[in-house]
Amino acid sequence: AQSVTQPDIHITVSEGASLELRCNYSYGATPYLFWYVQSPGQGLQLLLKYFSGDTLVQGIKGFEAEFKRSQSSFNLRKPSVHWSDAAEYFCAVGALTGGGNKLTFGTGTQLKVEL
Amino acid sequence: NAGVTQTPKFRILKIGQSMTLQCTQDMNHNYMYWYRQDPGMGLKLIYYSVGAGITDKGEVPNGYNVSRSTTEDFPLRLELAAPSQTSVYFCASSDPGQGDTEAFFGQGTRLTVV
Repeated sequence: AQSVTQPDIHITVSEGASLELRCNYSYGATPYLFWYVQSPGQGLQLLLKYFSGDTLVQGIKGFEAEFKRSQSSFNLRKPSVHWSDAAEYFCAVGALTGGGNKLTFGTGTQLKVEL
Repeated sequence: NAGVTQTPKFRILKIGQSMTLQCTQDMNHNYMYWYRQDPGMGLKLIYYSVGAGITDKGEVPNGYNVSRSTTEDFPLRLELAAPSQTSVYFCASSDPGQGDTEAFFGQGTRLTVV
């Protein structure tokens, strides 16, 4: 069974500082990996995704993530955080099967940005 | 395109009441999903559908039912509401065959059972 661990429940960074959100996954084959962001009272918006190829993927809003198979990780990074990045971030792993792409989510990391 | 639309946005139910959460998508996606989100728990899959007339259970299906009579619509039914069903519910769709491998989410329905 696939699983996702986001070890940091809350993270606080200063505006302009760099950010790294951790994500570790468990899956028996090559995973499909996603990062979503959720603002308060909103749905989930896709930041970026990885299926294959270049292990460093670029997403929207200046985010990037690196797939490291040896560490079963898919950490999200941003060089300089903006106050508007305050939100909850979810890592998810999926598998393309007969059931489409059922996603397993981590428990999320709440990001607070100090001005 | 509207994407995935959920109604209602908010609802308060009394214990034992029933209701249907509506979900419709206009992307012609074959795959649709219902998740529930509880604080600190991430999202859990309730039911999913791979096409009209085909549904299957996810991780937490107890207390819920679904149907899929058309490609566009995937309603979620709560028959006897219980306080444990207080949650935020998200509908999503995807279609890897069309290149949409990621799930597109609706804005959610916040349900409180009292």
